[in-house]
Amino acid sequence: DTAVSQTPKYLVTQMGNDKSIKCEQNLGHDTMYWYKQDSKKFLKIMFSYNNKELIINETVPNRFSPKSPDKAHLNLHINSLELGDSAVYFCASSQDSTGVRNTIYFGEGSWLTVV
Amino acid sequence: AQKVTQAQTEISVVEKEDVTLDCVYETRDTTYYLFWYKQPPSGELVFLIRRNSFDEQNEISGRYSWNFQKSTSSFNFTITASQVVDSAVYFCALSKPGANSKLTFGKGITLSVRP
Repeated sequence: DTAVSQTPKYLVTQMGNDKSIKCEQNLGHDTMYWYKQDSKKFLKIMFSYNNKELIINETVPNRFSPKSPDKAHLNLHINSLELGDSAVYFCASSQDSTGVRNTIYFGEGSWLTVV
Repeated sequence: AQKVTQAQTEISVVEKEDVTLDCVYETRDTTYYLFWYKQPPSGELVFLIRRNSFDEQNEISGRYSWNFQKSTSSFNFTITASQVVDSAVYFCALSKPGANSKLTFGKGITLSVRP
């Protein structure tokens, strides 16, 4: 079983559309994240949730709205997609948010292309 | 602020050569954690190692070894007898303990191992 799984893996959509990426972890972790990898492969955190509560929001446009229905799931909804949103989005999880036991495990990534 | 510098952008070696990937970090924290992740051509992010700032012992895992030196703020990664399957982008990352711990990544090093 994949520890952190996200769907879809590939998504091609037109500008202006709304799309969602789903993520689930079966590690029993309390904390989940969304990271974005741009075209130059630079990785940067977008959001972090701990036990369903938002704890990190890194100056991400309001068009991006994460939702955590329970601590095993963290979904990412993107409204009014723009060309610049094209990237790879990685979901990740860790045992907690404190960093002390904070090895972060990543999903396989979701390749979003906006045309 | 935390910063991770991976000055090498691309490295190309012939199979069986040894190769060292450099990582230099900046932090004002006395407690912090260092990581290496591998991103193979298939795209997923694979956790390789986590090192606590209090533990300066070098680590060896098969053909992989890591050299952590606080005096030079470096956490270098050496692959011995490289193989084609080692071809990937390698990321060094840094985090600190705290309520909102997150990973700060370097820009990554693309390693190509030629047969």
